Amino acid sequence: DGGITQSPKYLFRKEGQNVTLSCEQNLNHDAMYWYRQDPGQGLRLIYYSQIVNDFQKGDIAKGYSVSREKKESFPLTVTSAQKNPTAFYLCASSTDRGVRTDTQYFGPGTRLTVL
Amino acid sequence: GQQVMQIPQYQHVQEGEDFTTYCNSSTTLSNIQWYKQRPGGHPVFLIQLVKSGEVKKQKRLTFQFGEAKKNSSLHITATQTTDVGTYFCAGPGGYQKVTFGTGTKLQVIP
Repeated sequence: DGGITQSPKYLFRKEGQNVTLSCEQNLNHDAMYWYRQDPGQGLRLIYYSQIVNDFQKGDIAKGYSVSREKKESFPLTVTSAQKNPTAFYLCASSTDRGVRTDTQYFGPGTRLTVL
Repeated sequence: GQQVMQIPQYQHVQEGEDFTTYCNSSTTLSNIQWYKQRPGGHPVFLIQLVKSGEVKKQKRLTFQFGEAKKNSSLHITATQTTDVGTYFCAGPGGYQKVTFGTGTKLQVIP
């Protein structure tokens, strides 16, 4: 079964703690993305990676960090510097064919709540 | 930067009524995509439009790309409760990036 998995589904964090959200894909996609969704709002891009060992900041990267050591994996760390981290986090992947915008395949998401 | 706005933000319809959401971009788009997110779920790709004036249909859903390639619409005929969710349009946001619209949340009243 091909797809994207995210874990955990629900995550609770105390203020001041760093947490890491997992994202794994077996679609053999080159590009991976992290989005943040707040209630009743659209998707905002946090970070994206087009190839292993390379990633770029999106529109709201402050307080987040990522790594891309393997093609299949793109974990997101929410650091204590992120002042309002409670949100729904979505990971996505797509084939990288250059300029053309490819379909984004999303994982089921992680709901992060700061206590 | 590019902005993609959608209207309306929310829409409640009686089951069987039609529904339309509109997507407007501040810049010309090379293509536009539409996604559906069910309540509690994740966005799922519906369709991509590329050509000026293009119209595509998927059963009761009709997608249209404007002649100037700066706007798009999604029309659902005779809504059903299974149509409930948030519909997003998305356009290119730079190299291999996608800019999502603000979304239209559809509620269907049985």
